Amino acid sequence: NAGVTQTPKFQVLKTGQSMTLQCAQDMNHNSMYWYRQDPGMGLRLIYYSASEGTTDKGEVPNGYNVSRLNKREFSLRLESAAPSQTSVYFCASRDLLAGVQETQYFGPGTRLLVL
Amino acid sequence: AQSVTQLGSHVSVSEGALVLLRCNYSSSVPPYLFWYVQYPNQGLQLLLKYTTGATLVKGINGFEAEFKKSETSFHLTKPSAHMSDAAEYFCAVSANTGNQFYFGTGTSLTVIP
Repeated sequence: NAGVTQTPKFQVLKTGQSMTLQCAQDMNHNSMYWYRQDPGMGLRLIYYSASEGTTDKGEVPNGYNVSRLNKREFSLRLESAAPSQTSVYFCASRDLLAGVQETQYFGPGTRLLVL
Repeated sequence: AQSVTQLGSHVSVSEGALVLLRCNYSSSVPPYLFWYVQYPNQGLQLLLKYTTGATLVKGINGFEAEFKKSETSFHLTKPSAHMSDAAEYFCAVSANTGNQFYFGTGTSLTVIP
């Protein structure tokens, strides 16, 4: 099992460019999440998908869109990148059907630099 | 609503000394509590979690944490620090309502030889 995989690992964008961050999990989890991590601020939830076909906003959704393509894949799109979106992005998945005591499993992260 | 406070964004200990990382939570319902570790340039890995039952929870790499409801705390300890423990540590809470995790801002642990 690869667990949670993310592509790309690193990306540099110019202000105004768009890009999609990809995430896939092979653990048959129903819930998936996108976080951003910034120094001194911990992890902040951008969007999550409780199950295939549903998505919900988290704490910091502005400037982002998501697509739950199928049960395995959950992508995050920046339509017009801004320097404030420079961050490390983590995808996570969780077997919520087993209960809210279940842990989240994290991918290795995507480091994004917006110039 | 749930929230997590980690006291001390940076903690330094000598190799072999006690590690104590503090976490306090706020939750209107019984919480489930987690500690994660993040090594440089990696994702988060689960260290341990408290769900129900015994309030002293043992995790990987010799870490343990104690759930104290009266103090709304879930502090992480390890009796003897090792150089390989240097990392960022995050406390998180999940409630039995809703789908979200709430993370603290993290504590960076430095181990001094």
